[in-house]
Amino acid sequence: EAGVVQSPRYKIIEKKQPVAFWCNPISGHNTLYWYRQNLGQGPELLIRYENEEAVDDSQLPKDRFSAERLKGVDSTLKIQPAELGDSAVYLCASSFAGTSSYEQFFGPGTRLTVL
Amino acid sequence: QKEVEQNSGPLSVPEGAIASLNCTYSDRVSQSFFWYRQYSGKSPELIMSIYSNGDKEDGRFTAQLNKASQYVSLLIRDSQPSDSATYLCAVRHTGGGNKLTFGTGTQLKVEL
Repeated sequence: EAGVVQSPRYKIIEKKQPVAFWCNPISGHNTLYWYRQNLGQGPELLIRYENEEAVDDSQLPKDRFSAERLKGVDSTLKIQPAELGDSAVYLCASSFAGTSSYEQFFGPGTRLTVL
Repeated sequence: QKEVEQNSGPLSVPEGAIASLNCTYSDRVSQSFFWYRQYSGKSPELIMSIYSNGDKEDGRFTAQLNKASQYVSLLIRDSQPSDSATYLCAVRHTGGGNKLTFGTGTQLKVEL
């Protein structure tokens, strides 16, 4: 079974430029998460989707970040404009809400460097 | 006070020894607990989940949960150099849907 797929794996941009990250969750997983992980820290949730619906976006900086999950499968996270402090690893995870395990599985992440 | 606390380490153990990793959490009604392993430059990998008080064993790994003390631990028996990584503790809160709160991780070094 294929895992969570993310692209690109690495991205280097200058500040004020836009950037987008793409995620394809594990087949059949209806819940998708975007996390941000700074160096030396644990992942922090940005947004959680149940199918197409964003059910928790309280930690998403909405002035510059946006996300979508069309058709309840793939998702895109966008930053516009990027700031120096946005340099981090952006992780996508997925889980299946139909079980009681609540186990989340992570993709390889996108390492963003903002110059 | 952080919601999930871990000693950042590094925790150094000799090869073949038992590594003990600890995690405390502040939300008394937390329900589910997870241990992730993260190699340098890689993403977190789920290695254990535990939901009830007591021990749960999977191969060389044992997770221990004590909800009264708000404490969860991970034991790694017969530690190998390949176990050298950062171990992240994650907690799911009641009412938080599937939101996980992560600790900052403990770096484990297994020495030859």
